[in-house]
Amino acid sequence: DVKVTQSSRYLVKRTGEKVFLECVQDMDHENMFWYRQDPGLGLRLIYFSYDVKMKEKGDIPEGYSVSREKKERFSLILESASTNQTSMYLCASSFWTGDYGYTFGSGTRLTVV
Amino acid sequence: GENVEQHPSTLSVQEGDSAVIKCTYSDSASNYFPWYKQELGKRPQLIIDIRSNVGEKKDQRIAVTLNKTAKHFSLHITETQPEDSAVYFCAASKNTGFQKLVFGTGTRLLVSP
Repeated sequence: DVKVTQSSRYLVKRTGEKVFLECVQDMDHENMFWYRQDPGLGLRLIYFSYDVKMKEKGDIPEGYSVSREKKERFSLILESASTNQTSMYLCASSFWTGDYGYTFGSGTRLTVV
Repeated sequence: GENVEQHPSTLSVQEGDSAVIKCTYSDSASNYFPWYKQELGKRPQLIIDIRSNVGEKKDQRIAVTLNKTAKHFSLHITETQPEDSAVYFCAASKNTGFQKLVFGTGTRLLVSP
């Protein structure tokens, strides 16, 4: 009963490519988030959205953008991929108030070569 | 903004021992403190959470304690088992309507048989 789905488990892209990471949730959550996970650094927030077409910068938004055209879908875009964006990317969603916490996707491991 | 520090970064215990992971937060307005468990290659999953109007919460072998004065909270796992081996993340947020979690850097727990 997968509730937050990330389109790719592994991706390999070349430096300078435009990269799209897709996330879809089926729980009617208002909030959606994109995190990157690096060893020793934990989970760092890139962008989040609390409504369709709304987006807010997180702690490390540089080099990224997002799109939320529908409530269930939140896309992370790397405008011009660089090697320092090699990481695990995790999508999460939650209700507006955060009741019941976040539900995470399985993650996308992106390698930029 | 909120900052969450988590210690230790790694913790090794023998099966049957207890394990304690500690987190401190900086924003006295934070009032929601969840803990997530991430097994190798899997998504983080909520295992227990506590709100600021409660000092302790238990769920079978796991418990969380909160000291608002000192601004720290801890995860306690008793009678550890090998399947408890995982990375554990603490988080904090202000539940003023929209909830945005700030995560600690994670603790890798290894339970040896």
